[in-house]
Amino acid sequence: DIQMTQSPSSLSASVGDRVTITCRASQSIGTYLNWYQQKSGKAPKLLIYAASSLQSGVPSRFSGSGSGTDFTLTISSLQPEDFATYYCQQSYSTPRTFGQGTKVDFK
Amino acid sequence: QVQLVQSGAEVKKPGASVKVSCKASDYTFTSYTIAWVRQAPGQGLEWMGWINAHNGNTDYPQKFQGRVTMTTDTSTTTAHMELRSLRSDDTAIYYCATDGGWFDPWGQGTLVTVSS
Repeated sequence: DIQMTQSPSSLSASVGDRVTITCRASQSIGTYLNWYQQKSGKAPKLLIYAASSLQSGVPSRFSGSGSGTDFTLTISSLQPEDFATYYCQQSYSTPRTFGQGTKVDFK
Repeated sequence: QVQLVQSGAEVKKPGASVKVSCKASDYTFTSYTIAWVRQAPGQGLEWMGWINAHNGNTDYPQKFQGRVTMTTDTSTTTAHMELRSLRSDDTAIYYCATDGGWFDPWGQGTLVTVSS
């Protein structure tokens, strides 16, 4: 199974901050990497697919990059509605696996 | 875009089975692969497997093999996930989602509580 490791597990930030979350795969997965946002009590929401493609309707302050084993989700200017938990997920092979999540909260 | 609507919350005793449904709004249901993902309280996301709604092919991770069955009913555009021999650590929110290389969209989730 491919293990996905996110860092950090949590971070505190302020509105307007630039936030970067990293995700590392235990083996090369090309660009088969997706990012999700989950708010409390809600289903996850797709933000980025195929490592760097922005899902329709997602604000352009979200961006993704990387390939192989190392990936990054960046929020260029954190907004109040962005406080949530973020997950990476590989779609290179089954079983599909997720990172453990990164919780972004108020500083 | 297709919408997925799941069945309501369930409370089950240890050892019982639960069947969660996921109804797709789109008549092109058979073109989808439906995945099931669960989330225990305060925990992360765990993939439980998927089913190809066109041909019924399934793929389950080893952890759930022998205990989970995923099916589809094309006449009602509904996918089902049955989990047997429930334990307390099966208490979780169970989500369905379409998988076209990424999970989108998702159902609203179904809370399954396993308690004696």
